Amino acid sequence: DQQVKQNSPSLSVQEGRISILNCDYTNSMFDYFLWYKKYPAEGPTFLISISSIKDKNEDGRFTVFLNKSAKHLSLHIVPSQPGDSAVYFCAAGSTGSARQLTFGSGTQLTVLP
Amino acid sequence: DAGVIQSPRHEVTEMGQEVTLRCKPISGHNSLFWYRQTMMRGLELLIYFNNNVPIDDSGMPEDRFSAKMPNASFSTLKIQPSEPRDSAVYFCASSSTGGSTNYGYTFGSGTRLTVV
Repeated sequence: DQQVKQNSPSLSVQEGRISILNCDYTNSMFDYFLWYKKYPAEGPTFLISISSIKDKNEDGRFTVFLNKSAKHLSLHIVPSQPGDSAVYFCAAGSTGSARQLTFGSGTQLTVLP
Repeated sequence: DAGVIQSPRHEVTEMGQEVTLRCKPISGHNSLFWYRQTMMRGLELLIYFNNNVPIDDSGMPEDRFSAKMPNASFSTLKIQPSEPRDSAVYFCASSSTGGSTNYGYTFGSGTRLTVV
């Protein structure tokens, strides 16, 4: 049973436009959420996070939105750049579970020049 | 800090052989995680350690898989005997339970395992 789902395996966006990556979760115990970016032949790297007490967190071109009632979060990248092309993983955790994260299956973002 | 260091980067082995993957976590981090990445399942947690003690190994697929953390600076993941379906990229990650939840884990670069 996948507790964190990324239903879009891939997404293509034109350079300069907005990229929206989506993630759904089922476990109501999750109280913090993270996005990781992964380039080929490298490990995932932390991108941005949000606590369940917030509904939005912004860092430069990256914004994460959390809708707790829908158990849904999204990552917005504006404007998208070719260097953003990577696999993006959504992850969720519970502060009561010793920092164990559950990851989604990832979305391959391709930003076309 | 050199980050989380994994070795080898690539491993090609024949079915039935023993494979050992190695990980050196970031100094001072007290939690260590082994993940496997496949196309179908994304990142799966295999096992994690807290203060060198295995906490949850429910993700270890079979008895052929075993993991150890003899000290705070070293962990191994062993597969014996290996099978072609074990082919995947294996990641090690570490974190500090005393830190903020905002930054999650630091991952190594992974070991790409191919079992032929």
